[in-house]
Amino acid sequence: EPEVTQTPSHQVTQMGQEVILRCVPISNHLYFYWYRQILGQKVEFLVSFYNNEISEKSEIFDDQFSVERPDGSNFTLKIRSTKLEDSAMYFCASSLYPGGFSVSSYNSPLHFGNGTRLTVT
Amino acid sequence: QKEVEQNSGPLSVPEGAIASLNCTYSDRGSQSFFWYRQYSGKSPELIMSIYSNGDKEDGRFTAQLNKASQYVSLLIRDSQPSDSATYLCAVKPKTSYDKVIFGPGTSLSVIP
Repeated sequence: EPEVTQTPSHQVTQMGQEVILRCVPISNHLYFYWYRQILGQKVEFLVSFYNNEISEKSEIFDDQFSVERPDGSNFTLKIRSTKLEDSAMYFCASSLYPGGFSVSSYNSPLHFGNGTRLTVT
Repeated sequence: QKEVEQNSGPLSVPEGAIASLNCTYSDRGSQSFFWYRQYSGKSPELIMSIYSNGDKEDGRFTAQLNKASQYVSLLIRDSQPSDSATYLCAVKPKTSYDKVIFGPGTSLSVIP
């Protein structure tokens, strides 16, 4: 079964540094997402991306964050000037149709990657 | 008002029993609902999706949706120790184009 793959699985960085988290969505999917989960807390939506543009973003996704699809397969999340509170598990997800879309037999749940654990020291 | 609410648990059930997990949501126009399972340190894994009022069964799992009450539940029959995990309820709000919102999750422990 096709999978969403994320690299690296664990990233340690110093406060103030920039990090890039990478994801390869399922090949025929068109909608891409980043979520994060701080330890012990809920899975939080960061951003959705479609047709090379941000579709929706949360209040968390401020100027410190950016997303890019640099080629036909990768989807990246860049975090500039990392802070201690950015430490979390970051999940990439993809879907064929808009997330949660359902018409007739076309359903579009999100498929998640295994995550990147980001530790900011 | 929180968008998706769940009891945090932990919910403990003996092996072989039925586990009942509940979720409420605030956006009355929400159309799509999902249950994900998350093992500690792992990513969410889709169990079921439900879009219409009523019950939907898949193996040992039954999802129930009541849009009038803004309530969705998951029943796990014949619970197994391997079902011990956190169960996440997720909802697509009507106001959203492609965003799915997660609840805080309910921790389930199945006791052998």
